[in-house]
Amino acid sequence: KAGVTQTPRYLIKTRGQQVTLSCSPISGHRSVSWYQQTPGQGLQFLFEYFSETQRNKGNFPGRFSGRQFSNSRSEMNVSTLELGDSALYLCATSKQGWGDEQYFGPGTRLTVT
Amino acid sequence: QKEVEQDPGPLSVPEGAIVSLNCTYSNSAFQYFMWYRQYSRKGPELLMYTYSSGNKEDGRFTAQVDKSSKYISLFIRDSQPSDSATYLCAMSGDYGQNFVFGPGTRLSVLP
Repeated sequence: KAGVTQTPRYLIKTRGQQVTLSCSPISGHRSVSWYQQTPGQGLQFLFEYFSETQRNKGNFPGRFSGRQFSNSRSEMNVSTLELGDSALYLCATSKQGWGDEQYFGPGTRLTVT
Repeated sequence: QKEVEQDPGPLSVPEGAIVSLNCTYSNSAFQYFMWYRQYSRKGPELLMYTYSSGNKEDGRFTAQVDKSSKYISLFIRDSQPSDSATYLCAMSGDYGQNFVFGPGTRLSVLP
């Protein structure tokens, strides 16, 4: 059974640019959640998508957005990048979302210079 | 007070030791409790998943949840060098509440 796939694995951008990250869930998983992981703040929840709808949202500014497609694949977009956006971005997928076991992808390491 | 607190570590133990990792939380609405293991440069890997209070055992790992004390633990028996990683507790409530992670405890098992 294929795991969660995230692309790209590494990315370097400059301040002010925008970036799009992709997450392909395990087959049959309809919930995709995105997290930001930094040494200082740990793992922080960004948002969750289920059946193409954003179901939950964390406390991040509007520069962070996402979407989910009919095949459950999800993308996350960050506009007007700031140095503080440098982090490991992880997606986690599950069948139903809340109360369900989440499986993480390997992450995309974003560096903003 | 943070919503989830975890022993900060780092923790170093000799091979074969019993390891105890702990988290406390403040939100009584949490119902689902998880432990993840994260190796360097990898995504978190689900180790244990429990609902409400009680114990769950899987091989060398035992998870305990005490909702009355808002305290969860992960025990690792016969620890191995391959167990060296950061361990994250996580929890969530019902009806779409977000997952919340603890800050993690770095464990080193020395051969």
